[in-house]
Amino acid sequence: SQQGEEDPQALSIQEGENATMNCSYKTSINNLQWYRQNSGRGLVHLILIRSNEREKHSGRLRVTLDTSKKSSSLLITASRAADTASYFCATDAGAAGNKLTFGGGTRVLVKP
Amino acid sequence: EPEVTQTPSHQVTQMGQEVILRCVPISNHLYFYWYRQILGQKVEFLVSFYNNEISEKSEIFDDQFSVERPDGSNFTLKIRSTKLEDSAMYFCASSERGGLGPQHFGDGTRLSIL
Repeated sequence: SQQGEEDPQALSIQEGENATMNCSYKTSINNLQWYRQNSGRGLVHLILIRSNEREKHSGRLRVTLDTSKKSSSLLITASRAADTASYFCATDAGAAGNKLTFGGGTRVLVKP
Repeated sequence: EPEVTQTPSHQVTQMGQEVILRCVPISNHLYFYWYRQILGQKVEFLVSFYNNEISEKSEIFDDQFSVERPDGSNFTLKIRSTKLEDSAMYFCASSERGGLGPQHFGDGTRLSIL
């Protein structure tokens, strides 16, 4: 598989439930970022976690990073219908250009 | 909140024609990027740009592609002779601190090659 693979590919939950999605990657990283994309729109930055950090919170979002397993998870607590979107992890391997390598994303549907 | 803006939102072009996609990054940002997303596929890196030169480019970014920052506010992607497989959503992004901070994306230009 390629750098930045999310799992599951799709997730359907009821409003108020938590949503958890995972990301695995292959190379060493400088940081890992999570983005949200609503249908037909651009990527909205959610949270950045550096390689020396293990956990980060932002509002209802919690991100963990395990560099030994080359994996990260994104937890959205108390989900809302407005959280319906695709979620992508992206890794920055720290090369000169700081390019992001994206995974295939997790499509999350939050049913009201 | 400052945004990255891209124009046009949709561009339809005949194969073989040149196309220029335009982006206005966030004003105090110094790092600029282009990505593309073919329908149903992953977002792919094309090129990064800093200090008026390309920092890194992918294999996709061949001689048909070029970038320019013509006037200190716009950042453009030119495709010289478009191919059918260039049809995709093209995203511009900018960053204040390169690898130390997030990249902020525009809403994209949908490029359709006929």
